[in-house]
Amino acid sequence: DAGVTQSPTHLIKTRGQQVTLRCSPKSGHDTVSWYQQALGQGPQFIFQYYEEEERQRGNFPDRFSGHQFPNYSSELNVNALLLGDSALYLCASSLGWGWGQSDYEQYFGPGTRLTVT
Amino acid sequence: QKEVEQDPGPLSVPEGAIVSLNCTYSNSAFQYFMWYRQYSRKGPELLMYTYSSGNKEDGRFTAQVDKSSKYISLFIRDSQPSDSATYLCAMSSRMDSSYKLIFGSGTRLLVRP
Repeated sequence: DAGVTQSPTHLIKTRGQQVTLRCSPKSGHDTVSWYQQALGQGPQFIFQYYEEEERQRGNFPDRFSGHQFPNYSSELNVNALLLGDSALYLCASSLGWGWGQSDYEQYFGPGTRLTVT
Repeated sequence: QKEVEQDPGPLSVPEGAIVSLNCTYSNSAFQYFMWYRQYSRKGPELLMYTYSSGNKEDGRFTAQVDKSSKYISLFIRDSQPSDSATYLCAMSSRMDSSYKLIFGSGTRLLVRP
């Protein structure tokens, strides 16, 4: 049973550049959430996708955008990178939207470590 | 004040000890409570998931939720060096159709052989 996969593992970018991170959800899952984890902190919710639509968004600027594909995989795009965007970006998958308690069981991938110089 | 507070540790215990990890929260709407384990430079791994109040046991792990005190705990029995990791509590509510998880900052646990 394939878990959540993310690519790339590491990425180094320069301020002002744009980056795209990719995520494939756990087999059978159809909902993808993205989180940002700064060093020494807990993950912070960026947004969640279900049925190819952004369903919820956390307190992140419009520079952060995403997309979900028909096969449930997802991308996170960050434009005009700032030094403060350096973090571990985590993708989490879950099943369903409003079907019950399983909505809250989110399984995380290994993350993409982004360094902005 | 953060919605979810967690002591950062580190918490150092000898192998075989019972470990108690705790979180407090301020939002009384939280109904779903989770514990994740995160090894260094890895993604969080879901350990326990509890709905509303009460206890839940899974092997060496026991999760407790006390909604009246806004306090949740994770107990690890017979701790092993392989349990050394950062433990994150997370919670969510069904208010405003919200499915986002709110995390604590994590407690670093070190189990000494």
